[in-house]
Amino acid sequence: KQEVTQIPAALSVPEGENLVLNCSFTDSAIYNLQWFRQDPGKGLTSLLLIQSSQREQTSGRLNASLDKSSGRSTLYIAASQPGDSATYLCAALRAQKLVFGQGTRLTINP
Amino acid sequence: NAGVTQTPKFQVLKTGQSMTLQCAQDMNHEYMSWYRQDPGMGLRLIHYSVGAGITDQGEVPNGYNVSRSTTEDFPLRLLSAAPSQTSVYFCASSQDRENTGELFFGEGSRLTVL
Repeated sequence: KQEVTQIPAALSVPEGENLVLNCSFTDSAIYNLQWFRQDPGKGLTSLLLIQSSQREQTSGRLNASLDKSSGRSTLYIAASQPGDSATYLCAALRAQKLVFGQGTRLTINP
Repeated sequence: NAGVTQTPKFQVLKTGQSMTLQCAQDMNHEYMSWYRQDPGMGLRLIHYSVGAGITDQGEVPNGYNVSRSTTEDFPLRLLSAAPSQTSVYFCASSQDRENTGELFFGEGSRLTVL
């Protein structure tokens, strides 16, 4: 059974810092991995999707990497801003089903 | 540009009552799914569908029924609500039946069972 873990559960940093969020998964036979953002009381928004054949994806200040052999993915956020405050979730896809981690609650302090 | 629409946004039920959470998408997506989100448990898949007339169980299907009579709609039915079903429910859709692309979420339905 696929298990997805995100550490830390919460992170608070000052504005302007670069930061890394971690995601690990137990079954390396995944099809892809997605990173999502969730604002309080809202649904999830897809940020980046990395296919299993890819090593990384970039969108603006966000960069996500994937290492299937070690069962790890990271989300790098450059030059963090208060508007980046949200919960970030990763999810691994296999056999039509996405399995989610519990998320990292990120707070960027002005 | 509606995307995935869920109704109602909030609902309070008494134990034993039944209800249906509605989900509709206007993107002609083949794959649709229902998740529940609980503190400390993350998002867990309840049921999913890869096209009209085809549904399958996810990780936590007990107590819930689904059907997919059209491409656009994927309602979730609670037959006899229990306090353990108090949760936030999310509907999500993806373009292809294998769910290999971006997953689009609705805004969620917050259900309280007393």
